Amino acid sequence: DAMVIQNPRYQVTQFGKPVTLSCSQTLNHNVMYWYQQKSSQAPKLLFHYYDKDFNNEADTPDNFQSRRPNTSFCFLDIRSPGLGDAAMYLCATSRELGGDRGSEQYFGPGTRLTVT
Amino acid sequence: SQELEQSPQSLIVQEGKNLTINCTSSKTLYGLYWYKQKYGEGLIFLMMLQKGGEEKSHEKITAKLDEKKQQSSLHITASQPSHAGIYLCGAPGRGAGTALIFGKGTTLSVSS
Repeated sequence: DAMVIQNPRYQVTQFGKPVTLSCSQTLNHNVMYWYQQKSSQAPKLLFHYYDKDFNNEADTPDNFQSRRPNTSFCFLDIRSPGLGDAAMYLCATSRELGGDRGSEQYFGPGTRLTVT
Repeated sequence: SQELEQSPQSLIVQEGKNLTINCTSSKTLYGLYWYKQKYGEGLIFLMMLQKGGEEKSHEKITAKLDEKKQQSSLHITASQPSHAGIYLCGAPGRGAGTALIFGKGTTLSVSS
């Protein structure tokens, strides 16, 4: 049974056209994360929510926004996608933050974004 | 913030051979996580190490944490084609209770 679901798996958008990626979880975890992964690179943390508390990484561009309307869902909004935003976007969840028991992150299959 | 360096970047081994992948942190580790990723897919959690000297095994994969060296190793015994993929280490990026950051990964190919 899928625990972290990402839709769509593949998304094509035009340069400058807003796009939203979605993530849902059936694990009832407190924390939800969004990572950006480009080819042959490490996943780069964009932001995370602990419950309703939003935590933005300092180097995440303003072009990237997120919403978490409830425990199960989290959205990544890219307001004006540029060619450099083409990447795999990974959603993950965990019960707690890193270091303690329950902090292992469970990932969705990712959404591959293409910008034309 | 912390950085994780993995070595080697890529590895090709013959089926049945043993191999080791290393992950070195630039700062004190507050937990070390190993994940596997198949190309174009999400990351699959393998195991988590919390304390120095800790060692965990899952099937033919063993991971150890050397806290003093700020380093972890992942060892695969008698590799199989199913072990092929990208192995990534992760750790809390800014100390305990923070989100994970990841190394660039080690790509493993197993030839039969």
